[in-house]
Amino acid sequence: DTGVSQDPRHKITKRGQNVTFRCDPISEHNRLYWYRQTLGQGPEFLTYFQNEAQLEKSRLLSDRFSAERPKGSFSTLEIQRTEQGDSAMYLCASSDSLNYGYTFGSGTRLTVV
Amino acid sequence: GENVEQHPSTLSVQEGDSAVIKCTYSDSASNYFPWYKQELGKRPQLIIDIRSNVGEKKDQRIAVTLNKTAKHFSLHITETQPEDSAVYFCAASRGYIPTFGRGTSLIVHP
Repeated sequence: DTGVSQDPRHKITKRGQNVTFRCDPISEHNRLYWYRQTLGQGPEFLTYFQNEAQLEKSRLLSDRFSAERPKGSFSTLEIQRTEQGDSAMYLCASSDSLNYGYTFGSGTRLTVV
Repeated sequence: GENVEQHPSTLSVQEGDSAVIKCTYSDSASNYFPWYKQELGKRPQLIIDIRSNVGEKKDQRIAVTLNKTAKHFSLHITETQPEDSAVYFCAASRGYIPTFGRGTSLIVHP
């Protein structure tokens, strides 16, 4: 296990299309987080899972965004009807039960044209 | 919700100098304060963290101080090296979900 993996690394899509990103956390980590980062900003929280349960969602997460973690392992983040404002780096992170510190993935850079 | 302010936005130092980055937070219930380093094009990496029951923590050339009364905390890097050049983010949380500052771009000139 080499860390948190995200796929794809880059995604270019046309406005209005749907996109889905995948995150594979560190295997022994039961907590998984999605963040969004735009240029010159810190990561902004989107949603959080403990095992398969989605425990918290940000107000930033409009109804076009949905996330799942069906078996408490990998997670997917889907954006429907993408808009240019969705262009950002989408970061996934995981942590275990004992530590608050995150291990981040390398992110998926989304460009909506 | 929590609000984290971070200063300066850019910090330029000569190799060997010290660098200090300061953050303030708004939620007095916050009890966990991590710092992340993000090199250009790479993932944020946790470099040091501190909990509210501790006033200072050191790890080699890096130290973090916390003033709960004033609700501010700082990152101190001594003997800076060119490889310290990166964006540094502070964060504050009362649980598992920190609020991040906007970042400080540290440039260390050889």
